[in-house]
Amino acid sequence: QKEVEQNSGPLSVPEGAIASLNCTYSDRGSQSFFWYRQYSGKSPELIMSIYSNGDKEDGRFTAQLNKASQYVSLLIRDSQPSDSATYLCAVSETGANSKLTFGKGITLSVRP
Amino acid sequence: NAGVTQTPKFQVLKTGQSMTLQCAQDMNHNSMYWYRQDPGMGLRLIYYSASEGTTDKGEVPNGYNVSRLNKREFSLRLESAAPSQTSVYFCASSATRVEQFFGPGTRLTVL
Repeated sequence: QKEVEQNSGPLSVPEGAIASLNCTYSDRGSQSFFWYRQYSGKSPELIMSIYSNGDKEDGRFTAQLNKASQYVSLLIRDSQPSDSATYLCAVSETGANSKLTFGKGITLSVRP
Repeated sequence: NAGVTQTPKFQVLKTGQSMTLQCAQDMNHNSMYWYRQDPGMGLRLIYYSASEGTTDKGEVPNGYNVSRLNKREFSLRLESAAPSQTSVYFCASSATRVEQFFGPGTRLTVL
């Protein structure tokens, strides 16, 4: 059974701080990794994708991937109250299709 | 360009009733998916269609059927609704081996 684990929350950080969200996965053959943001009552929205080891930066967001450790993380710098949401880690399954396995998500609260 | 659309947005059913959830995408994506999301359970795949004319079971297919009507449309049918099917249902689509894009969701309550 392929699994994606996210550290339990909720996570609360003050405005301006760095929020660190972590995710581990069990399928060693996974090739694609995604972070989705989901506001309460809304659908998941893709915010980051990463395919190779290392860091990928997009504005205040940085995704980090370590395939040897089967670990992917999302850093949010200068956290804003508008970043308060549930963040879902998703990992592709090995093979030709594009099925994803999702973690259960972690809820981030940014305190003004 | 509407992306992924779903109808209806909300639905209340009685146990035993049937209904079909509709999903359409205008991004020319090959693959489409149906998920359900329950508190504490995350997103769970019900069925998916890797390409027009094919469908496959996901993690939680029991009690559901799907139809990939054409490249744009992928419907989910509940033949005899049960309270355990109360959930939020999301449709998603993707180009092969690329990220998935989600519709706005259908909130279903089965009494």
